[in-house]
Amino acid sequence: QKEVEQNSGPLSVPEGAIASLNCTYSDRGSQSFFWYRQYSGKSPELIMFIYSNGDKEDGRFTAQLNKASQYVSLLIRDSQPSDSATYLCAVMDSSYKLIFGSGTRLLVRP
Amino acid sequence: DAMVIQNPRYQVTQFGKPVTLSCSQTLNHNVMYWYQQKSSQAPKLLFHYYDKDFNNEADTPDNFQSRRPNTSFCFLDIRSPGLGDAAMYLCATEGGGDSDTQYFGPGTRLTVL
Repeated sequence: QKEVEQNSGPLSVPEGAIASLNCTYSDRGSQSFFWYRQYSGKSPELIMFIYSNGDKEDGRFTAQLNKASQYVSLLIRDSQPSDSATYLCAVMDSSYKLIFGSGTRLLVRP
Repeated sequence: DAMVIQNPRYQVTQFGKPVTLSCSQTLNHNVMYWYQQKSSQAPKLLFHYYDKDFNNEADTPDNFQSRRPNTSFCFLDIRSPGLGDAAMYLCATEGGGDSDTQYFGPGTRLTVL
């Protein structure tokens, strides 16, 4: 069964620090990778997507993809208390189905 | 401007009483999805439509059905809700073709009494 694994957390970081969120996936044929942010009681909100190996930066967010090692990560620089949420990693597998991880809860301490 | 709209945002129903959740979109996307998400769990795909082509996940209970009368609207029908069906129901759309990014509506929180 195709899986996407994330540490459930919580990951606790002080305000202003870098938060590093990691995700591994099992389907080597996966092509597209997404990070969603989900506040408690709300729906997932797209943060970033990445298709190619390497880094992709958007403001304070950097997505990193390593297909050989089958992991994708999200770095959040200058973390703010408003970044406190659950971050869902999602992978489009080789059958074009989006598989979600269970999410990592991030807490940014003021 | 809201692009994926779900109604109602909160739905309370009684055990066994049918309920219909609705989703509409202004993005003119040809792919629409219904997910179920329970607390601290990953969203679980129930159905998706590519245009009018309906695709049912193998483990979606028979109690759940879906309709898509046109491009803009999609409905989720729960024929006889059980306590285990209490969850957040998420509608998502995707442009299809080269774009495989899914955009979610605000969700409907279903409570079963």
